[in-house]
Amino acid sequence: GQQVMQIPQYQHVQEGEDFTTYCNSSTTLSNIQWYKQRPGGHPVFLIQLVKSGEVKKQKRLTFQFGEAKKNSSLHITATQTTDVGTYFCAGDFGNEKLTFGTGTRLTIIP
Amino acid sequence: ETGVTQTPRHLVMGMTNKKSLKCEQHLGHNAMYWYKQSAKKPLELMFVYNFKEQTENNSVPSRFSPECPNSSHLFLHLHTLQPEDSALYLCASSFSGRSYEQYFGPGTRLTVT
Repeated sequence: GQQVMQIPQYQHVQEGEDFTTYCNSSTTLSNIQWYKQRPGGHPVFLIQLVKSGEVKKQKRLTFQFGEAKKNSSLHITATQTTDVGTYFCAGDFGNEKLTFGTGTRLTIIP
Repeated sequence: ETGVTQTPRHLVMGMTNKKSLKCEQHLGHNAMYWYKQSAKKPLELMFVYNFKEQTENNSVPSRFSPECPNSSHLFLHLHTLQPEDSALYLCASSFSGRSYEQYFGPGTRLTVT
C-alpha cells in the first residue's frame, strides 16, 4: 500500500543545535503537510507544500518539498525547548488519502 | 484551541462495557475523522465521513461503530473492547477533500481493563 516513511524515529539534540526530519514516499505525492504534536497534546497543522521543489519558512523552521515530489524535510535552526514534540508529515497521494508518517520525536537537552 | 472538542478526555472501561466517544467541531467543516494513536502505530486512520456519509473504513473491527448525525458531530460507539484497544482516540475535521489541513481535537485517552 501507499506509505510515507519518516526518519529518524527519535532525535535528541542540545538546545541551540539544528534538527532535521525527513519524509519519503515511493510514489509521487500530490502535496505534503506537516504537523507538530507537543507531549500530551494533539497534532497541530504547521504547513502544506504543493509545488515541486517548494521551500517555505516559518521563523526558524524550513520546509522543503523534493523536485520529484516524493520526499520532504523539516529543518529547525537553533532549537529551543519549545520545539519539543513529535513532528509528523502527512502525504496526499492525490486519491483522497492523507497518510501520516510515523513521526519523529524531538527531545531537547537544555 | 476550541475548534474541535472531544468528550470524555479520559475513559476507563471493562471489556464488557459499552461506551461512546463524542466529537464536535465548530469550524464549519464537512469532513470528520477518527484516528487511533498508540505507541505501535502513531496515527492510524479509522474512519472518514464526508457530508455525514462514511467514505472510508480502514478495516476497523466491528466493536468500533462510528456515527455521524451531521457535519458537526461525530461519535464512536465502543463495545466489547480488548485491552489492545487502549490508546488515544483523536477526532479531526477539515473541509472536504484530503488536501485540506486537518484540525484535531484533544483526544480521549481510553484504557480497557
